[in-house]
Amino acid sequence: EIVLTQSPGTLSLSPGERATLSCRASQSVSSSSLAWYQQKPGQAPRLLIYDASSRATGIPDRFSGGGSGTDFTLTISRLEPEDFAVYYCQQYGSSPQFGGGTKVEIK
Amino acid sequence: QVQLVQSGAEVKKPGASVKVSCKASGYTFTSYYMHWVRQAPGQGLEWMGVINPSGGSTTYAQKFQGRVTMTRDTSTSTVYMEVSSLRSEDTAVYYCARAFQFYDSFDPWGQGTLVTVSS
Repeated sequence: EIVLTQSPGTLSLSPGERATLSCRASQSVSSSSLAWYQQKPGQAPRLLIYDASSRATGIPDRFSGGGSGTDFTLTISRLEPEDFAVYYCQQYGSSPQFGGGTKVEIK
Repeated sequence: QVQLVQSGAEVKKPGASVKVSCKASGYTFTSYYMHWVRQAPGQGLEWMGVINPSGGSTTYAQKFQGRVTMTRDTSTSTVYMEVSSLRSEDTAVYYCARAFQFYDSFDPWGQGTLVTVSS
């Protein structure tokens, strides 16, 4: 079973700043089968990025994903007020697993 | 548009079973897999298993084998997830989520169903 570790646990930033979230896998994720989701309080997760770097339909281009193998990142170029939320990475190259999440909060 | 609509909140006693439904619309039901994910209060996401609505085959996470059953009804485009022998640790929001293949990202998700296990 692949274990995903997300860091930091909490990121305190101001609107307009750049956010960089990390997701590290315990073993290589096959075919860059990694996704990122955004979850706001009381809502279901929403797909942002799939296949490590492809934006899902309707996702603004300030969201970008990168990485391969065991190290992946989600970058939000300029934080908008609606971007403050919890973000999860997920690998689906084998039995699906989620990371523990990173909370992006307003500083 | 693609929609997954889940059944309403449930309150169950320890030892009981619960069955949650997820009704799909806006796409060909049998062309996509349906996964189930749960989230305990204040916690992260936990994958439970998947069903292929085309043939009904299922794969469960090892943690849930023997206690979770996923089924589908193609006539109503609905998948079901039943958890038996409920305990307090099963208190969570349960989500269904669509995927094009078994090994694929999940999009979209249902709105979630809160299951509370309490004596």
